[in-house]
Amino acid sequence: GAGVSQSPRYKVAKRGQDVALRCDPISGHVSLFWYQQALGQGPEFLTYFQNEAQLDKSGLPSDRFFAERPEGSVSTLKIQRTQQEDSAVYLCASSLGQSNTEAFFGQGTRLTVV
Amino acid sequence: QQPVQSPQAVILREGEDAVINCSSSKALYSVHWYRQKHGEAPVFLMILLKGGEQKGHEKISASFNEKKQQSSLYLTASQLSYSGTYFCGTDGGTSYGKLTFGQGTILTVHP
Repeated sequence: GAGVSQSPRYKVAKRGQDVALRCDPISGHVSLFWYQQALGQGPEFLTYFQNEAQLDKSGLPSDRFFAERPEGSVSTLKIQRTQQEDSAVYLCASSLGQSNTEAFFGQGTRLTVV
Repeated sequence: QQPVQSPQAVILREGEDAVINCSSSKALYSVHWYRQKHGEAPVFLMILLKGGEQKGHEKISASFNEKKQQSSLYLTASQLSYSGTYFCGTDGGTSYGKLTFGQGTILTVHP
């Protein structure tokens, strides 16, 4: 597709439920990022992939958060045993792979944990 | 540490100018500016690189003071479409563009 696609757009989960969020980056983009955006705040870094390798996961808030990109394209962010504090918009971004190139963001998945 | 943006909010009439500032306590290699409208993806505006190179849109300009670790975004002759939340993202030296974003500046342009 022309841009970064994320699904679902909205997800409501009961506390304790597991969720999986999908990101389809722009074709050919080497770098893929996940960010978490709380209401009224800027995006916060979660994790980074270069192709299929997860090179930076320093932003993942707990071991309940897990991300993968097995074939170097589509990525999935999984949250186990969701808690209310996990409620946020989860943004995916992709880029060509250098620090001086723009990152293209998806519209995000709004997760609400009830 | 998160960069600090100022002001937190700006209200303009069409045609007026605005400046949004971004200040970091860490050494910066690049500053990236994005605009986000409610419920939409952040959209790239500008990259400022150490050494003075800029990449971005024609109608928006920015500056990057490496010594002061500050960047400013200049919006001139504002249009209704400029409304949104502006974020600066700073790269402290990763080779892959990991960004730390400020808290955002809400810009509202009225007719």
